[in-house]
Amino acid sequence: AQKVTQTQTSISVMEKTTVTMDCVYETQDSSYFLFWYKQTASGEIVFLIRQDSYKKENATVGHYSLNFQKPKSSIGLIITATQIEDSAVYFCAMRGEATGGNNKLTFGQGTVLSVIP
Amino acid sequence: GPKVLQIPSHQIIDMGQMVTLNCDPVSNHLYFYWYKQILGQQMEFLVNFYNGKVMEKSKLFKDQFSVERPDGSYFTLKIQPTALEDSAVYFCASSPETGRNYAEQFFGPGTRLTVL
Repeated sequence: AQKVTQTQTSISVMEKTTVTMDCVYETQDSSYFLFWYKQTASGEIVFLIRQDSYKKENATVGHYSLNFQKPKSSIGLIITATQIEDSAVYFCAMRGEATGGNNKLTFGQGTVLSVIP
Repeated sequence: GPKVLQIPSHQIIDMGQMVTLNCDPVSNHLYFYWYKQILGQQMEFLVNFYNGKVMEKSKLFKDQFSVERPDGSYFTLKIQPTALEDSAVYFCASSPETGRNYAEQFFGPGTRLTVL
């Protein structure tokens, strides 16, 4: 069974600074995918970024990047130049590689990010 | 990005009644999912569905739950009968399972179910 843990319940940062959110995971799979999603105040769930376990390079999309440390089973999300609209709940998630099954997402508990003007 | 639609956005029903939640997945996606989110908690997997069949379900997917997608229509989650603990937001998701981004799941806006 897979498990995803986010220990930071909430974080507050000043606008335009950089924030890192932590996530550790457990899996028996040799290949897997790691994701970060954002849930806005309206409840909408938005896909942000993905890391494939076999890739050594950290994924980057816009002002989101990942700090993937496979030996530590860790996948941190880094947001640079934070904006007010980045305020949301951020969920880390993972799934196995197979398409025939084991493709459900397992989510962490979420981290509430507040960006202060 | 790709859009998943859900109808209705909010449903209030009395305990014991039947409810059907509707999802319109992304058109070329092959896998469909339901997740449950109790207020303030993370989303939890209920069931996934492919080619007309349930592929995997969690322990949260009780006997009172069922899913189907008749040809050309919505992917539905039916709860019959409902219980108080079914009150939650239910999110539908879909994934292509082919191509470069096959593993990415896209979520609908959710249906808030309130069981009285």
